[in-house]
Amino acid sequence: DAGITQSPRHKVTETGTPVTLRCHQTENHRYMYWYRQDPGHGLRLIHYSYGVKDTDKGEVSDGYSVSRSKTEDFLLTLESATSSQTSVYFCAISPERKRETQYFGPGTRLLVL
Amino acid sequence: AQTVTQSQPEMSVQEAETVTLSCTYDTSESDYYLFWYKQPPSRQMILVIRQEAYKQQNATENRFSVNFQKAAKSFSLKISDSQLGDAAMYFCAYRTEVYQAGTALIFGKGTTLSVSS
Repeated sequence: DAGITQSPRHKVTETGTPVTLRCHQTENHRYMYWYRQDPGHGLRLIHYSYGVKDTDKGEVSDGYSVSRSKTEDFLLTLESATSSQTSVYFCAISPERKRETQYFGPGTRLLVL
Repeated sequence: AQTVTQSQPEMSVQEAETVTLSCTYDTSESDYYLFWYKQPPSRQMILVIRQEAYKQQNATENRFSVNFQKAAKSFSLKISDSQLGDAAMYFCAYRTEVYQAGTALIFGKGTTLSVSS
């Protein structure tokens, strides 16, 4: 258990509305990641963070933004949700002493109607 | 670019038996890491086992072991004495050894394992 929680765990929203997903960790890990999981694609990296206010884009970042104002929280925002963003979203952390290894949160299932 | 292939979309095994899940990958790097993750119906992604490419010895974790064949770029997972709780989707993943903050895990598409009593 890497002390990662995600909220909400489930969300249904409408196309065009903004949505923010939260990842919270309790162990002061520096490295945090957001992935999405879709059938046939496995998990793909959206954004990542390497410290407070230090973030950058991953493979599938279009339509998403992130913020990290505190070490423990990494927020993923869909500015204007689209049906193609219906997915399961996972947050992950890498411990400093094992940076090649990622531990995942429980996931958030998002449905955009 | 690195790729990870899991050629078995579904596998089945009986309780107490042994099953092997296959994974192959493509890379030009000599140092890297390989992982197996388990995703039960709860959707939680659980790290099962980790292998460092520079180590020749195959990793083991209790009933889980790997057969790492570096030259063949093969990384299979063996589950011994299968239990009902092993039923899940299993993902093979690759990570480069070259560390950059945003280096992602590269995942295969997964193998669904069912366990029957």
